[in-house]
Amino acid sequence: DQQVKQNSPSLSVQEGRISILNCDYTNSMFDYFLWYKKYPAEGPTFLISISSIKDKNEDGRFTVFLNKSAKHLSLHIVPSQPGDSAVYFCAALDLIQGAQKLVFGQGTRLTINP
Amino acid sequence: NAGVTQTPKFQVLKTGQSMTLQCAQDMNHEYMSWYRQDPGMGLRLIHYSVGAGITDQGEVPNGYNVSRSTTEDFPLRLLSAAPSQTSVYFCASSYSARGQGYNSPLHFGNGTRLTVT
Repeated sequence: DQQVKQNSPSLSVQEGRISILNCDYTNSMFDYFLWYKKYPAEGPTFLISISSIKDKNEDGRFTVFLNKSAKHLSLHIVPSQPGDSAVYFCAALDLIQGAQKLVFGQGTRLTINP
Repeated sequence: NAGVTQTPKFQVLKTGQSMTLQCAQDMNHEYMSWYRQDPGMGLRLIHYSVGAGITDQGEVPNGYNVSRSTTEDFPLRLLSAAPSQTSVYFCASSYSARGQGYNSPLHFGNGTRLTVT
């Protein structure tokens, strides 16, 4: 059973506009969430995170919003740039017996069109 | 710093063959893990280690073995390869394993693409 879901496999956005990537989760015990970005033939790289005690976290052009009651988070990229074209993974941190495990969504492929 | 290094980058195996995927990190990270990435499935945790000599199973451990004899290395062994193990494998590490990991995100290697025929 997929505990973290990214229901949009792909998203196409025009350069300069806002990109919004969505993520839903089912486990109410998750209290920390991360976004990773992945280019082809490379490993994922950490982008931004948010704790459940916050509803928003900003880092430059990237903002993550968390709605705990809806078990939903989103990543906003403003303005979108061609270098943002990549696969984006949402992940939730699961702490089991003191060891962190990341539970990933399926990923959303973002394409920024010039 | 090389970060997380995985070898080989590509591998083709026949069903029933065994092999070891290598992973090494030079950041003195306590926590290491293996994920596999399959289309439509995201990344799924295979095995993880919170320190030398300590390993545990993740979500999809069957058919794989791991060991952690040093802090730096965390090899993944396929005992008898099956076509269902065709995937891209990622090794990842982080400074801390125990919740302090909130400020210690995973660092990933560039992956090993494995095909089992």
